[in-house]
Amino acid sequence: QVTLRESGPALVKPTQTLTLTCTFSGFSLTTSGMCVSWIRQPPGKALEWLALIDWDDDKYYNTSLKPRLTISKDTSKNQVVLTMTNIDPVDTATYYCARIGIDGSSSFYFDYWGQGTVVTVSS
Amino acid sequence: SSELTQDPAVSVALGQTVRIICQGDSLRNYYVSWYQQKPGQAPVLVIYSKNKRPSGIPDRFSGSSSGNTASLTIIGAQAEDEADYYCNSRDSSGNDLYVFGTGTKVTVL
Repeated sequence: QVTLRESGPALVKPTQTLTLTCTFSGFSLTTSGMCVSWIRQPPGKALEWLALIDWDDDKYYNTSLKPRLTISKDTSKNQVVLTMTNIDPVDTATYYCARIGIDGSSSFYFDYWGQGTVVTVSS
Repeated sequence: SSELTQDPAVSVALGQTVRIICQGDSLRNYYVSWYQQKPGQAPVLVIYSKNKRPSGIPDRFSGSSSGNTASLTIIGAQAEDEADYYCNSRDSSGNDLYVFGTGTKVTVL
């Protein structure tokens, strides 16, 4: 059974660094093809893809946020960590981690999601 | 990144059919996936690889795609289908890896 769970601070002050942890079970990020992504959703708005890390430690970032994002993994703990620097109130959102499913060479999708963690940026 | 555009809202009478459209250049190169999101809940995958359903998703949900347009169809909509729906695909523009649609709110009347 695949599960993912996000954790992190509920309230962050502007200019601080946000660190979020995704703890997962039911799969291993050492398995070829496995990937985990972070996605966020501001209140009342659409989903926004943020970052991805794969089994080979390749990392990909949202182009507009890349200077502020770092994704990493700890395979011994089954965790993926996302850090976002210089936090701003516009970063207020629910942050989700999700596993990537792959079907063939042209089909990639988020097959399992965590329940999300709400982050509010305010002084 | 390239964009995936969806109508903001559609409504459907109980038991009738509703079609949700997603348009974007990335759909010419990559399959679309669809997600259902109810208020206060995480998104749930309902369609992947254009028209495959994960285990547990009712067969009233189906998908199709042609060119730069993909659609999610609900045949015989139920009250529990009222939700936001998002399309998603890899981003073929070369900027971001993934892109989500703008979302469609489905109201079941």
